[in-house]
Amino acid sequence: GQQLNQSPQSMFIQEGEDVSMNCTSSSIFNTWLWYKQDPGEGPVLLIALYKAGELTSNGRLTAQFGITRKDSFLNISASIPSDVGIYFCAGPQTDSWGKFQFGAGTQVVVTP
Amino acid sequence: DGGITQSPKYLFRKEGQNVTLSCEQNLNHDAMYWYRQDPGQGLRLIYYSQIVNDFQKGDIAEGYSVSREKKESFPLTVTSAQKNPTAFYLCASSIAGTTDTQYFGPGTRLTVL
Repeated sequence: GQQLNQSPQSMFIQEGEDVSMNCTSSSIFNTWLWYKQDPGEGPVLLIALYKAGELTSNGRLTAQFGITRKDSFLNISASIPSDVGIYFCAGPQTDSWGKFQFGAGTQVVVTP
Repeated sequence: DGGITQSPKYLFRKEGQNVTLSCEQNLNHDAMYWYRQDPGQGLRLIYYSQIVNDFQKGDIAEGYSVSREKKESFPLTVTSAQKNPTAFYLCASSIAGTTDTQYFGPGTRLTVL
């Protein structure tokens, strides 16, 4: 199946700093999804991207659908303590209808 | 409110017992999914269903079974054949056809003693 490589694996940042993470694939995706998961909870959809080149914001979050369709980026500006969690990228597989591929996640830790 | 519910939040079972995890959605989504998540691990697909009365095995289906008798319900049974059942189980749904956006339930933590 299609693989999603997500980096970095973890980030330790100070409150107020900006955060940036990305996902790359060797094959194209037609949709990119970004989720946040708090400990013991289900992932919550943050941003969905449907078009190459698309740049979408949700509050302090901004995500972009790469022009090549093989990558996507998520930025968090002016981080706050509640930004702590694991962020996943995902996308519906184009070689296996109905299935989704997920990145391994980026653990974000915010220190005051 | 529309969404996905999973119950219970925490479940304890003795080794050798079958256990069924509930998943209900009122989003009118055609497709439903079950994932397993282990500590520090990503999501692994157990089973998925695109339509009522039909479902397909995911990557780790051994020791699990599902049914899809109603559009809104997709229960997962963890059987005694599952060698390491203790995990966090996530149910999800999406609109079949486009399959472009997936939503998750709150999860069930299963502990087998």
